[in-house]
Amino acid sequence: DIQMTQSPSSLSASVGDRVTITCRASQSIGSFLNWYQQKPGKAPKLLIYAASSLQSGVPSGFSGSGSGTDFTLTISSLQPEDFATYYCQQSYSTTTFGQGTKVEIK
Amino acid sequence: QLQLQESGPGLVKPSETLSLTCTVSGGSISSSSFYWGWIRQPPGKGLEWIGTIYYSGSTYYNPSLKSRVTISVDTSKNQFSLKLSSVTAADTAVYYCARLPFIAAAGLWFDPWGQGTLVTVSS
Repeated sequence: DIQMTQSPSSLSASVGDRVTITCRASQSIGSFLNWYQQKPGKAPKLLIYAASSLQSGVPSGFSGSGSGTDFTLTISSLQPEDFATYYCQQSYSTTTFGQGTKVEIK
Repeated sequence: QLQLQESGPGLVKPSETLSLTCTVSGGSISSSSFYWGWIRQPPGKGLEWIGTIYYSGSTYYNPSLKSRVTISVDTSKNQFSLKLSSVTAADTAVYYCARLPFIAAAGLWFDPWGQGTLVTVSS
């Protein structure tokens, strides 16, 4: 199985901050990496697919990069509605999720 | 606009079988462009993929659950279903269904998701 490790597990940030979340795969997965946002009591929402493609309707302040084993989700300027938990997911071999990164208000 | 809705009992007894159905509206489950899947999330924890099905009936399961999981599709009803046998308290979770678009060179992803349904395993 391919293991996905996110870092950090949680972070505190202020509105307007630039935030970066990292996801590392236990083996190379090409660009088969997706990112989701989940708010409390809600289903996850797709943000980025294929490592860097922005899903339709997602604000341009979200971006993804990386390939192989190391990937990054960046929020260029944190907005109040961006406080949530973020998950990465690989689909190179079946599928697995990272453990999540909780973005909290500082 | 495609929507998915999970349905089924919210309470299941230990050792019994959990059964859920996902009803798809606003699109056809028989589309060749998509897979369909189940994901679960124990309270306060992360996401776990359970399994995926294609409209033809081809299935793919999480190895850690494979011996207990069956996913099936009913194209006439535009539904797909999950059965998880021999449940324990560890199977208590919010269960989500989702559509999986796929591109050969890019993989597949979950979008959209159903709202989720909490299933509690307890006597």
